[in-house]
Amino acid sequence: AAGVIQSPRHLIKEKRETATLKCYPIPRHDTVYWYQQGPGQDPQFLISFYEKMQSDKGSIPDRFSAQQFSDYHSELNMSSLELGDSALYFCASSSSGIGEQFFGPGTRLTVL
Amino acid sequence: GDSVTQMEGPVTLSEEAFLTINCTYTATGYPSLFWYVQYPGEGLQLLLKATKADDKGSNKGFEATYRKETTSFHLEKGSVQVSDSAVYFCALSDPGDYGQNFVFGPGTRLSVLP
Repeated sequence: AAGVIQSPRHLIKEKRETATLKCYPIPRHDTVYWYQQGPGQDPQFLISFYEKMQSDKGSIPDRFSAQQFSDYHSELNMSSLELGDSALYFCASSSSGIGEQFFGPGTRLTVL
Repeated sequence: GDSVTQMEGPVTLSEEAFLTINCTYTATGYPSLFWYVQYPGEGLQLLLKATKADDKGSNKGFEATYRKETTSFHLEKGSVQVSDSAVYFCALSDPGDYGQNFVFGPGTRLSVLP
């Protein structure tokens, strides 16, 4: 069965650079969620989209923005990167924004 | 707001030992409850879930029962294996609103020794 796809899987950036993370949800899933997981931490919710509209917002810094496109894929744009942004970024998808979320493998971002 | 509390780890057990990882929650609505597992270097995988009171989720020998009266969803397994070594996250989702995010517990690291 198709799963959530994230790209890239690994990304290395310098401080103050920008990064774009992509997420392709499971086919026919209309809701996408972004989470940030620091080393040894639990996933922290950043933002979610339902039917291409932002549906909920968590602890997402103002330097970050995200959107969901007409094909339901989502991109997380991160600017002015800081060392503390180094983390595993997960995308998850669900159907109609309820119930079980299916997680992608994550993008490991390292900021040097 | 909603929150999830888990027993602190790490938990170290010998193979074939009985496992319990406690999870309690607070929620304003009637949440669905989940256990996710994260193996080293991998993403989160759904282990089991329960969507209403007294439901029991089960998978791969793991079980958890949704106890509304004690707001708990404890994870149990009768006989753990070395391959069960991972971090386990309890989570809830309030199905009342579209796009509702998950609230995760802090995770419990389990190490099973041969």
